[in-house]
Amino acid sequence: GESVGLHLPTLSVQEGDNSIINCAYSNSASDYFIWYKQESGKGPQFIIDIRSNMDKRQGQRVTVLLNKTVKHLSLQIAATQPGDSAVYFCAETTSGTASKLTFGTGTRLQVTL
Amino acid sequence: DTGVSQDPRHKITKRGQNVTFRCDPISEHNRLYWYRQTLGQGPEFLTYFQNEAQLEKSRLLSDRFSAERPKGSFSTLEIQRTEQGDSAMYLCASSFPRPEKLFFGSGTQLSVL
Repeated sequence: GESVGLHLPTLSVQEGDNSIINCAYSNSASDYFIWYKQESGKGPQFIIDIRSNMDKRQGQRVTVLLNKTVKHLSLQIAATQPGDSAVYFCAETTSGTASKLTFGTGTRLQVTL
Repeated sequence: DTGVSQDPRHKITKRGQNVTFRCDPISEHNRLYWYRQTLGQGPEFLTYFQNEAQLEKSRLLSDRFSAERPKGSFSTLEIQRTEQGDSAMYLCASSFPRPEKLFFGSGTQLSVL
């Protein structure tokens, strides 16, 4: 079936550096994408979303880029902090599918001091 | 706390026993979702409600699983005759007004011995 996957299972960055987490998706009909952050023992926390009619969206210290040509999206975290250490998931859905999100397997971000 | 609330946080049971989990969504949210997450994987959709109506169920939801949302507010997920393969984190999420922007609870971690 259609799925969303991630290139890197673990990413280690130094505090203060920028982080880039990548995600590939295979469902060309997907038109809405979300990045979630999940800390140990907690549920996924919404970070930022983007619709397929956009290429880029910025939030506070985070930016999501969408490349529909190659079915790729990325999450950029500026000035990574220890509190950013978590597992990050991208998720996708298609309008009219009852908002059923398809998640990838996640990337663990480790921030070193 | 006005977020999605789940109870219990942890449940240990013996194989063959029945278990029930509760979810209290954010109060004004009319959509409620159940997802299941195993270690190292992203959440997988199980079912969702709009108000009290259960509108979709995943084929992951075997006949041992039943979910209800009797008054369109809180929801329960019951698993009958639990199996070891049911061990997972059960996540509840809710959304409104944008149906695709899901807010997750912290989950119920089920361990079947």
